[in-house]
Amino acid sequence: EAGVAQSPRYKIIEKRQSVAFWCNPISGHATLYWYQQILGQGPKLLIQFQNNGVVDDSQLPKDRFSAERLKGVDSTLKIQPAKLEDSAVYLCASSSGRSTGELFFGEGSRLTVL
Amino acid sequence: SQQGEEDPQALSIQEGENATMNCSYKTSINNLQWYRQNSGRGLVHLILIRSNEREKHSGRLRVTLDTSKKSSSLLITASRAADTASYFCATDAIGKLIFGQGTELSVKP
Repeated sequence: EAGVAQSPRYKIIEKRQSVAFWCNPISGHATLYWYQQILGQGPKLLIQFQNNGVVDDSQLPKDRFSAERLKGVDSTLKIQPAKLEDSAVYLCASSSGRSTGELFFGEGSRLTVL
Repeated sequence: SQQGEEDPQALSIQEGENATMNCSYKTSINNLQWYRQNSGRGLVHLILIRSNEREKHSGRLRVTLDTSKKSSSLLITASRAADTASYFCATDAIGKLIFGQGTELSVKP
């Protein structure tokens, strides 16, 4: 079974530029999550999708971050414009959606904002 | 906001010793999960314990849950160098998983 795919693995941009991250969850998983992990900290939930609907985006800085999950499969997370404090690893995870069980994580996309 | 707090923040032991990590949380939960993260990689699920369970085993892992104290512990027995990683507890309280800050475990050969 293929795992959660994320790209790109690394991205370096200057502040005020934009960036987009892509995630393809495990086939058949209804729930998709984006987490932000700053160095030395635990992952922080940014947004949770159930199929193509948003379940929770209370921690998403909506003035600069946006995410979509068209057709209830893959997802894109965008940051525009980026700030220095957005430097982090962006982790995508998916689950089968039957209550909050085991999450399967991708390898993450490491963003450096200069 | 972070719900779980792991203790200690860092732990260094010799191969063959046992490693114990603790997690405390603030609100009632549906379940508590432990994950491992190797440096530069994604998180890997280790074990899930439901709120009505007190102890669970998986190979060399033993997890306990005390809902009256709002705390959990993860015990890794007979540790190996390959167990070197960060370990996170995560709580499911309202249908979303909230992670703690993690314990960084170093197992020296």
